[in-house]
Amino acid sequence: DQQVKQNSPSLSVQEGRISILNCDYTNSMFDYFLWYKKYPAEGPTFLISISSIKDKNEDGRFTVFLNKSAKHLSLHIVPSQPGDSAVYFCAARDYNQAGTALIFGKGTTLSVSS
Amino acid sequence: DVKVTQSSRYLVKRTGEKVFLECVQDMDHENMFWYRQDPGLGLRLIYFSYDVKMKEKGDIPEGYSVSREKKERFSLILESASTNQTSMYLCASRRQGAEAFFGQGTRLTVV
Repeated sequence: DQQVKQNSPSLSVQEGRISILNCDYTNSMFDYFLWYKKYPAEGPTFLISISSIKDKNEDGRFTVFLNKSAKHLSLHIVPSQPGDSAVYFCAARDYNQAGTALIFGKGTTLSVSS
Repeated sequence: DVKVTQSSRYLVKRTGEKVFLECVQDMDHENMFWYRQDPGLGLRLIYFSYDVKMKEKGDIPEGYSVSREKKERFSLILESASTNQTSMYLCASRRQGAEAFFGQGTRLTVV
């Protein structure tokens, strides 16, 4: 059963507008959430994270929001740029699980057109 | 900067061959991971290791084994490669409580 869900396989946005990528999770023991960006034929790169004790974290154009009661997080990219076109993965950590492996969603492909 | 290096970018192997994928990290991280990425399936955890000689199965360990003899090196072994193991393989490492850093990936094709 999928513990981290990204229900939108793809998202298309115009340059300069806001991109909102969504992620839902089912495990209430998750205490740390991350977003990764992946270009084709490259490994994922870390983008931004948020601890479960916070509800917002900002880093430049990227902001992650966490709604624990809804078990939902979102990544906002403002303004979107063509170079942001990539696959975005949401990931979560279960602190109580041995080895604390990150559990990933299936990803959302973002396309930003100029 | 953390560096995670995978030994090959592209590999083509025959069905039934034994395949070794090597991964080295240079930041003394305790935890190392092997994932595979397939279209529509995201990143799925194969195996991970939280210490030298320690290993834990992930979600899809069947057909794979791992070896961690030294802290910086984590190897993924396909005992007898099959066509359904054609995939992008990604190694990652992290210290406890922090984000994971990924290698550049190995695109394995089994023919």
